[in-house]
Amino acid sequence: EDQVTQSPEALRLQEGESSSLNCSYTVSGLRGLFWYRQDPGKGPEFLFTLYSAGEEKEKERLKATLTKKESFLHITAPKPEDSATYLCAVQAFNAGGTSYGKLTFGQGTILTVHP
Amino acid sequence: KAGVTQTPRYLIKTRGQQVTLSCSPISGHRSVSWYQQTPGQGLQFLFEYFSETQRNKGNFPGRFSGRQFSNSRSEMNVSTLELGDSALYLCASKTRGDLNTDTQYFGPGTRLTVL
Repeated sequence: EDQVTQSPEALRLQEGESSSLNCSYTVSGLRGLFWYRQDPGKGPEFLFTLYSAGEEKEKERLKATLTKKESFLHITAPKPEDSATYLCAVQAFNAGGTSYGKLTFGQGTILTVHP
Repeated sequence: KAGVTQTPRYLIKTRGQQVTLSCSPISGHRSVSWYQQTPGQGLQFLFEYFSETQRNKGNFPGRFSGRQFSNSRSEMNVSTLELGDSALYLCASKTRGDLNTDTQYFGPGTRLTVL
């Protein structure tokens, strides 16, 4: 069974204090790893998709990286508006090599950035 | 492009009733997935529809069902509601897509409260 574990559960940073969020995963065959941001009372907002080990993607103050067992979301010089829950999810290949829509999510990391 | 829309946004029901939630995917997207989000269990996959056919299902009881129409709009139904069904129900859509476009985009969710 696919599993995703995120750490830490909660992270409090001062504005400008860089840090990383971790996502460890176990999946039979990785189709893709996804990062989402979720604000209270809203649906998850797509950030990145990573498909293979060694891949990196950046967007503003965020950078996502992928290895064969985990992914990191690096936040450089965060601002208070970066406060949110960050969710990691994996999508696996089916036995037939196809890929359907099931995402398995971690529990998320609640990030709070203080001014 | 307009995003994924879900109606209603909020719903209050009592135990034993049934409820129907609606989802309109992003224009051109043919796959619709449903997820349940609760504080204790996080985001859990319910089912996915593509071309009016359910092609993947999560571990939920038969009280949870869905369907997809020819215009890709989808509905999910929960019968005989239980207190534990209180949750944020999220819909996500994606194109069938090739490797680089296989990203799910989420709607704002329907907040269901069962009393």
